[in-house]
Formats: sequence, C-alpha cells, structure tokens
Amino acid sequence: DTAVSQTPKYLVTQMGNDKSIKCEQNLGHDTMYWYKQDSKKFLKIMFSYNNKELIINETVPNRFSPKSPDKAHLNLHINSLELGDSAVYFCASSQDTGLYTDTQYFGPGTRLTVL
Amino acid sequence: AQKVTQAQTEISVVEKEDVTLDCVYETRDTTYYLFWYKQPPSGELVFLIRRNSFDEQNEISGRYSWNFQKSTSSFNFTITASQVVDSAVYFCACHSNTGKLIFGQGTTLQVKP
Repeated sequence: DTAVSQTPKYLVTQMGNDKSIKCEQNLGHDTMYWYKQDSKKFLKIMFSYNNKELIINETVPNRFSPKSPDKAHLNLHINSLELGDSAVYFCASSQDTGLYTDTQYFGPGTRLTVL
Repeated sequence: AQKVTQAQTEISVVEKEDVTLDCVYETRDTTYYLFWYKQPPSGELVFLIRRNSFDEQNEISGRYSWNFQKSTSSFNFTITASQVVDSAVYFCACHSNTGKLIFGQGTTLQVKP
C-alpha cells in the first residue's frame, strides 16, 4: 500500500507554462507539506496544511499556490514556470504538527524540469 | 533560528567498514525532535529514526546505531559493517516548534564493493 503518493513522477515543461503536482496520503494524517529539493540536494519546506488550513507558508513566490481539497490531498500549482523552478518537489504528511513528535513521511518526489 | 550542520559532504568506504555520519544541531527550543532520513539513488526519502530531546539513550537497530549527545548538540549515525545497499544521501533534521522540519545539507555515502 502506498502511504504518500505523488503524480507525476517526472514533469518536463517549457518556461511560462502552468503545471500542477498532486499528492495524496492514505495514512489518515492531519498535516501535509510541500518541500523543494534543489540541485545541491538541499531540502526546504514550502508549505504546510493542517486539516485543509494553511499553517506554514515560507517565502515562496506567489506563482506557487497550494490547494488542499481535503485532508488527504495537497496539490501544488505553479504558474508561469521559470528555469529556477527546476527541482525535485516532495510531498509529506504527519499526524499533527502541534505535538512536535510527529514523523513526516515523504512521497517519492516529482522531478520538475523547466526548459 | 534552528540550524542543522552535516559537515561531511561525501564519504567513501569499502564494504564491511564501519562509518559514522556526523550531525550537529542548533536550537533554542527545550523540546525538540531529531531525525535521520535516507535518500537512496532511486530518490525517495526514507525515515530512519526519531529521537526526542529528553531521551539521550543511544539506539541500535540492526547495523544502524545513533548517538545523541545533548552536551555537544550532536546526533551522529553509525553504520556497522557497511554494505553497497547503504550507498545513499543521508539527511539529519530537527523539528522546530513552528512545525518545520529543518534539514542538514546531507552526507553522500558511497560504499564500494
């Protein structure tokens, strides 16, 4: 059984296009996250949602818009893609951010390449 | 602000050698959690361990062991009798009181046959 899944796994697109990445978790967790891993492998949080409510919003260009239709899904929509957006994007989930104890479980990642 | 430092960028060992991956963290929180994740060449991030700030007992899981020392703000990871399948990027991370998981830069471990 897949715990945290993302689609697509690979995404190649032209500069200026709009694209979405979907994430679903079947762990029954309340909190979901998006992370960006750059070419140097550095991982940084972008957004976090708890029960469909935005709770973490890092300094991310407003071309990036997360959407959580329900607590099992957190999608990432990116407008007007730029070369610098090329990265691996990871979705993650945890039981509840408020307890500090929660392990975050990651999806397989989506490799976005902007040409 | 929290910070996690993994000073070793790359480590190369020969199979069956023991290897220790260093992790030093900075935090002002009195309650915090430390993690290690493994990222194999296939790219996924695999959770390995979580340790809370009040529990300084070392932990052993098969060939893996972790040494948490609050006095030196370190949470080191040792692989005993390394195997080729251990080749991966290993990340240390600290969970902040804002809910963010702060990652170190990662250590690339190459285990040669």
